[in-house]
Amino acid sequence: LAKTTQPISMDSYEGQEVNITCSHNNIATNDYITWYQQFPSQGPRFIIQGYKTKVTNEVASLFIPADRKSSTLSLPRVSLSDTAVYYCLVGDRTFGNEKLTFGTGTRLTIIP
Amino acid sequence: DTEVTQTPKHLVMGMTNKKSLKCEQHMGHRAMYWYKQKAKKPPELMFVYSYEKLSINESVPSRFSPECPNSSLLNLHLHALQPEDSALYLCASSPRGGNEQYFGPGTRLTVT
Repeated sequence: LAKTTQPISMDSYEGQEVNITCSHNNIATNDYITWYQQFPSQGPRFIIQGYKTKVTNEVASLFIPADRKSSTLSLPRVSLSDTAVYYCLVGDRTFGNEKLTFGTGTRLTIIP
Repeated sequence: DTEVTQTPKHLVMGMTNKKSLKCEQHMGHRAMYWYKQKAKKPPELMFVYSYEKLSINESVPSRFSPECPNSSLLNLHLHALQPEDSALYLCASSPRGGNEQYFGPGTRLTVT
């Protein structure tokens, strides 16, 4: 499984765009990149998943460069409720290969 | 129904007790998972069920015994636990396997 590296923590002000970068140098050809958000004492919440270039949904955007050795989660106009831990995961999406391994995550704190 | 439910929310048990955690989903997902999460740490995979069969056991001690009675239900039977087993136990399900998983709110377990 590809190992991921993220910043341990980040601070940002309300209303700003936040970009969290994840490094995954040994990503395999079949691997997808997935991001989760977790609030204290709750289960992680699936945010977004992508394979290459750019993916956007109602919550976030995911930017993946051509070499796929890193990815950036972009949260537009953050609010206090975006304070959470964000996990980047890399792995095969094949059914039966579900060893989802969470890294240390990035603790994002939004400042009023 | 688009959620994973877990019961109970909180559980306190002695080291000689036997208890069970329950997880349910009605989204037709054919993969279900148990995770353990200690405070300020990422979730750690314990077990994976694919089509109601145990496909992955991450070397979990036998005092934890999973069961999948049907495609919607997942149990975790607990027996002779240790205080260090106190943690948040998370259940998840996936429509396609791999990295896209949907988590329940967890059961906060305290072993005394």
